[in-house]
Amino acid sequence: QKEVEQNSGPLSVPEGAIASLNCTYSDRGSQSFFWYRQYSGKSPELIMSIYSNGDKEDGRFTAQLNKASQYVSLLIRDSQPSDSATYLCAVNIWANDMRFGAGTRLTVKP
Amino acid sequence: DAGVTQSPTHLIKTRGQQVTLRCSPKSGHDTVSWYQQALGQGPQFIFQYYEEEERQRGNFPDRFSGHQFPNYSSELNVNALLLGDSALYLCASSLGDIFLYGYTFGSGTRLTVV
Repeated sequence: QKEVEQNSGPLSVPEGAIASLNCTYSDRGSQSFFWYRQYSGKSPELIMSIYSNGDKEDGRFTAQLNKASQYVSLLIRDSQPSDSATYLCAVNIWANDMRFGAGTRLTVKP
Repeated sequence: DAGVTQSPTHLIKTRGQQVTLRCSPKSGHDTVSWYQQALGQGPQFIFQYYEEEERQRGNFPDRFSGHQFPNYSSELNVNALLLGDSALYLCASSLGDIFLYGYTFGSGTRLTVV
């Protein structure tokens, strides 16, 4: 079982819709969780972090964490074509160890 | 405030050669991690440096080595290059524990081994 798993996609949504990205992780001791956005040919950019069960909202982005189910998700409301990118889920396994999923490619169609 | 800077941006090497990649962390950051990202894959952890020592290492062979200098900058060295080493190499910096703030990534070095 991979440490961090994501659906590779591609996920396609129309402009203005909600995009839902999912991630599961294997280590129950994982402490913090991050979502990075990576445009093609560019480096990952941190967009959300979450540490506690529940929801965390930042503008159009909402991160959701369920530690019992070992599940993290990212919702993007009112999706825009500029949101088209690969979204990487990253899990802080312990102290200074962060592992990434393979990423989900999102396309937002005008 | 300069972010994480990496050099060079692109590099082409021949199989069997050696390569050195360089990274300057974001101002104030003291921890540098290196990741390898193959095309279409997520970043894979190579190792992390803190206080000039390798603090943690991922599942990479000894051909991959590194160094951190007193000014926190870092180098990644890869010996005996293989075709499979072709990838984007990302440097990420953080201030101490990544629990709260995660990493800041550099723009990467694209290594092509021919």
